[in-house]
Amino acid sequence: SQQGEEDPQALSIQEGENATMNCSYKTSINNLQWYRQNSGRGLVHLILIRSNEREKHSGRLRVTLDTSKKSSSLLITASRAADTASYFCATEVLYNFNKFYFGSGTKLNVKP
Amino acid sequence: DSGVTQTPKHLITATGQRVTLRCSPRSGDLSVYWYQQSLDQGLQFLIQYYNGEERAKGNILERFSAQQFPDLHSELNLSSLELGDSALYFCASSVGPGTGVNTEAFFGQGTRLTVV
Repeated sequence: SQQGEEDPQALSIQEGENATMNCSYKTSINNLQWYRQNSGRGLVHLILIRSNEREKHSGRLRVTLDTSKKSSSLLITASRAADTASYFCATEVLYNFNKFYFGSGTKLNVKP
Repeated sequence: DSGVTQTPKHLITATGQRVTLRCSPRSGDLSVYWYQQSLDQGLQFLIQYYNGEERAKGNILERFSAQQFPDLHSELNLSSLELGDSALYFCASSVGPGTGVNTEAFFGQGTRLTVV
């Protein structure tokens, strides 16, 4: 089964609101990454958080990692219509370097 | 532009046929990964090659095979195709295994395979 699972599966918000997506995983990890995928296109790397980090920021993105709960969250602040995409978390399993497992994604729709 | 090139972009073929998908990694990247994304599904890791050798295997069917060539490009071969093999196939590359410092993967735009 998938190592990572995102929640919710779909999220619809108004422009300007914050969007929060969660990711849960099953085994210990080296790091966790978030990717964005516009419809039918390739994935774009957003942010990487290592297993010894708890929070990381990049522009309007804030990622948290709780290794005790095996979960992560991605917060997009002040969302824009251009943020409409699917968001995937990917985990690199501990000691399996460069082997990534993706969740099924959260579809975010930001309404203008 | 991620620097990862996949060809062809689209492929339509009949059941029972065999196709080859090609991936050129970013310059300097030694690892190539293949993923399958079925309609409305997450990405399924298929296989990873590092510097020409198979490094990790995921949910890859026996009808599928891959290889990485000396110039580091990779090919994914899909044979005895079934309707359910219709999907987006993504290739990604990264610098390579090590301490996990450089583990960002760069994805190509994908090959959309339609089996009819």
